[in-house]
Amino acid sequence: DAGVIQSPRHEVTEMGQEVTLRCKPISGHNSLFWYRQTMMRGLELLIYFNNNVPIDDSGMPEDRFSAKMPNASFSTLKIQPSEPRDSAVYFCASSLTAGPYEQYFGPGTRLTVT
Amino acid sequence: GIQVEQSPPDLILQEGANSTLRCNFSDSVNNLQWFHQNPWGQLINLFYIPSGTKQNGRLSATTVATERYSLLYISSSQTTDSGVYFCAGLMGAGSYQLTFGKGTKLSVIP
Repeated sequence: DAGVIQSPRHEVTEMGQEVTLRCKPISGHNSLFWYRQTMMRGLELLIYFNNNVPIDDSGMPEDRFSAKMPNASFSTLKIQPSEPRDSAVYFCASSLTAGPYEQYFGPGTRLTVT
Repeated sequence: GIQVEQSPPDLILQEGANSTLRCNFSDSVNNLQWFHQNPWGQLINLFYIPSGTKQNGRLSATTVATERYSLLYISSSQTTDSGVYFCAGLMGAGSYQLTFGKGTKLSVIP
């Protein structure tokens, strides 16, 4: 099993550019989560999908952020336009169960917006 | 206010020593979980422990929900145990929002 796969691992972009982060969950897992980690705010849940349907997006910071899960094996997190304060490590996680229990995390994408 | 508090914030151990990490949480937090983030940033879910005790190798965790705290025990620590340990809980019934503590940074030295 390859685990949760995220790409890119590192992204450096200029303010105002569109950024797309990608995630492939573990095969057979029904739940997918996007998290953001910063020094100031720690780890925060952005959005939770179950069976490809967004269940809780209350953590999405603002309209510049959007997430999709077109099928069970792929999800994207898009930031448009990006701002320097979006710089963070973004983690994707998946789990077999409904809800954030026994999650397996991807390696993260380190985003730097200059 | 603060809803998930961890202590100590930093801990340095000699290899082979034992340690206890503590997580206090407020009334609105339930379904406690423990995570480890290694020095390379990888996050691993250690325990889902809303109550009671669980053990996995040298690690064990105990949650006393009635007293709103959870403990993570590390026995015979190894350098690979280094990293940051987070506890997290769900905010209320039916919530999917995990609230994380600020973490305990553990350094195990040989």
